[in-house]
Amino acid sequence: DVQLVESGGGLVQPGGSLRLSCAASEFTFTNYWMSWVRQAPGKGLEWVANIKQDGSEKYYVDSVRGRVTISRDNAKNSVYLQMNSLRPEDTAVYYCTRSAYATPPDCWGQGTLVTVSS
Amino acid sequence: QSVLTQPPSASGTPGQRVTISCFGSSSNIGSNTVNWYQQLPGTAPKLLIYRNNQRPSGVPDRFSGSKSGTSVSLAISEIQSEDEADYYCAVWDDSLNGWLFGGGTKLTVL
Repeated sequence: DVQLVESGGGLVQPGGSLRLSCAASEFTFTNYWMSWVRQAPGKGLEWVANIKQDGSEKYYVDSVRGRVTISRDNAKNSVYLQMNSLRPEDTAVYYCTRSAYATPPDCWGQGTLVTVSS
Repeated sequence: QSVLTQPPSASGTPGQRVTISCFGSSSNIGSNTVNWYQQLPGTAPKLLIYRNNQRPSGVPDRFSGSKSGTSVSLAISEIQSEDEADYYCAVWDDSLNGWLFGGGTKLTVL
């Protein structure tokens, strides 16, 4: 079965950094854009960032641009989210997703919880 | 505050038909196809409807989608207790090069 497995979440102080990872399996990773979508506790979904198949294009929601970097390693079938200068409002479950360009994400990981608190 | 507006809640009794709406504008829903996600409690979202009215393999035909102008609707016929979930509309934003999600609608089966 197609699988996305996130890791790297945890508790971090405001201003701190965290790197999330997502390992993909059972599909051709290089055929897909990859995205991160987050969900604050008790809140709705928010798209965070996405990256093209070859890593040549990356896009971010305004609230994270300049603080967050999405990257991928096609040799490892993995996508990453480097988050710096974290704020309490970044507290959320972060989901890794796959999609073709402008087509809806059809596979989601189980999510990893990031908590930003002192 | 999401750009796509959904009612926060909806409800119905088993066997009823329920409709959930999602309102946008000419720059999002009006110019792109819309998708719906179902999120069961404690789980990741699942794609329910894509391109306004298409169902992925495995989604029952009790779920249907429609679009009119700058609004879309998700209809669930003969609702069951297992349909209790949060439902989100989602549309691609060409200027963002990313996804806009509605605020979500919590469906309660009474």
